[in-house]
Amino acid sequence: EAGVVQSPRYKIIEKKQPVAFWCNPISGHNTLYWYRQNLGQGPELLIRYENEEAVDDSQLPKDRFSAERLKGVDSTLKIQPAELGDSAVYLCASSLVHGGARGNEQFFGPGTRLTVL
Amino acid sequence: DQQVKQNSPSLSVQEGRISILNCDYTNSMFDYFLWYKKYPAEGPTFLISISSIKDKNEDGRFTVFLNKSAKHLSLHIVPSQPGDSAVYFCAASALGGNEKLTFGTGTRLTIIP
Repeated sequence: EAGVVQSPRYKIIEKKQPVAFWCNPISGHNTLYWYRQNLGQGPELLIRYENEEAVDDSQLPKDRFSAERLKGVDSTLKIQPAELGDSAVYLCASSLVHGGARGNEQFFGPGTRLTVL
Repeated sequence: DQQVKQNSPSLSVQEGRISILNCDYTNSMFDYFLWYKKYPAEGPTFLISISSIKDKNEDGRFTVFLNKSAKHLSLHIVPSQPGDSAVYFCAASALGGNEKLTFGTGTRLTIIP
C-alpha cells in the first residue's frame, strides 16, 4: 500500500513569491492534516480536513495561507506571498477517520522543505 | 506556551542497554499520548500510544509509562539497537479537542554500537 505522497520534496523561492504544496493521502483515508515543522520544533497543525470540509483551520494564517481539498482526496496548501519566516518543513498526514489520535494513527508523508530567500 | 515538553534535546545510549526518553505536559485535558519516531528526510512514524486510563503500554521492545499525577510520560526501549537512532517526538491530544496532536520538540537518540 502506498503511503502519503507529497510534492515537491524541496522548494527554494524568493520572498514575496507564491508557492504551493501537494499531498495525496493514503487511499480511503477521510481525514487529512497539514502540519508545519520549524527547525528544532515539533510539527504544528495548520489545518485538518474531514473529507472536503476544513474542520479545524484555527492555526492557519489566513492572510497568506490557503488550502483546499477538492473531491475529498488530494489537497493543496498555498502560500502567497511567502515570507522569510515561512521557511520550514510542511508535512501532510492522513488517517482513516477523525480521531487520528484514538487508535487511528496519523500517517505522515515525507514533507516538503521550503526555503524562502 | 509549550504544553508538551521534551527537555532532553539529545541522548546517547550503548547498544543493548535501555534507552529512556522523557516527556512532560502541562495541559490537564490531555488524555491520549503518543510517541512518533522520525528518520532524516522522512515524516514521523507512529510508534506507540497510551490512554490516560492506563499507566503502562507495552509493544515488543517499546514500553510507555504514564504518571498522570506528575504529568509525565516516558518511553523505554529495551534492548536498544542501532536502528533505533532517530528523533523521537512525544505528542498529546485532548478529548473534544478535534483530535489535534500537540507535539514536543523531540529528542535525538543515538545508539552507540
